Amino acid sequence: DAKTTQPPSMDCAEGRAANLPCNHSTISGNEYVYWYRQIHSQGPQYIIHGLKNNETNEMASLIITEDRKSSTLILPHATLRDTAVYYCIVRVEGGGGADGLTFGKGTHLIIQP
Amino acid sequence: EAQVTQNPRYLITVTGKKLTVTCSQNMNHEYMSWYRQDPGLGLRQIYYSMNVEVTDKGDVPEGYKVSRKEKRNFPLILESPSPNQTSLYFCASSFSGRVAFFGPGTRLTVL
Repeated sequence: DAKTTQPPSMDCAEGRAANLPCNHSTISGNEYVYWYRQIHSQGPQYIIHGLKNNETNEMASLIITEDRKSSTLILPHATLRDTAVYYCIVRVEGGGGADGLTFGKGTHLIIQP
Repeated sequence: EAQVTQNPRYLITVTGKKLTVTCSQNMNHEYMSWYRQDPGLGLRQIYYSMNVEVTDKGDVPEGYKVSRKEKRNFPLILESPSPNQTSLYFCASSFSGRVAFFGPGTRLTVL
């Protein structure tokens, strides 16, 4: 699976959009970009994923650059409950072999009141 | 409600006393796996299972065993726990290696 690079921490004001960047310059053509988050010590929670088109769901939007070397997760109206560590992971969908997700250190997003 | 459950949520034990952490999912997922999370090391996969009776080692399998006799259950067995297995453990399941659903975690302390 391709390696990702994320800033270690970010702040965002409550009610504003939180934009979390991720670099994945070695991504392969069949690898998807997945985002998970972990609130305190709870189990990681799936947010969104995409291949090359932008995606949106009830939680967030995912913007993938045309060359697919980077992406941005957008939380449109951040709340205090969005304070968490956010992980960007690239992997082949359906894995084939191991189901393993390679978690890096992620971005610790802190929402300020 | 679709979910992954783990038991116990918290456990303090002593070195060498065998223990089992249970994991169950109600989504009919084929894939199940176990992770441990340690400060500074992030989440690391211990074992995974692609289906019933099919298991394989992840990145840090030493000191652990698993079994997959039923599709919904994937217990993690520590036959002789040691203090370096003190950690936060997560079970996860997914359909064909796609979106993974994680359990709430089991915090294990081995004295």
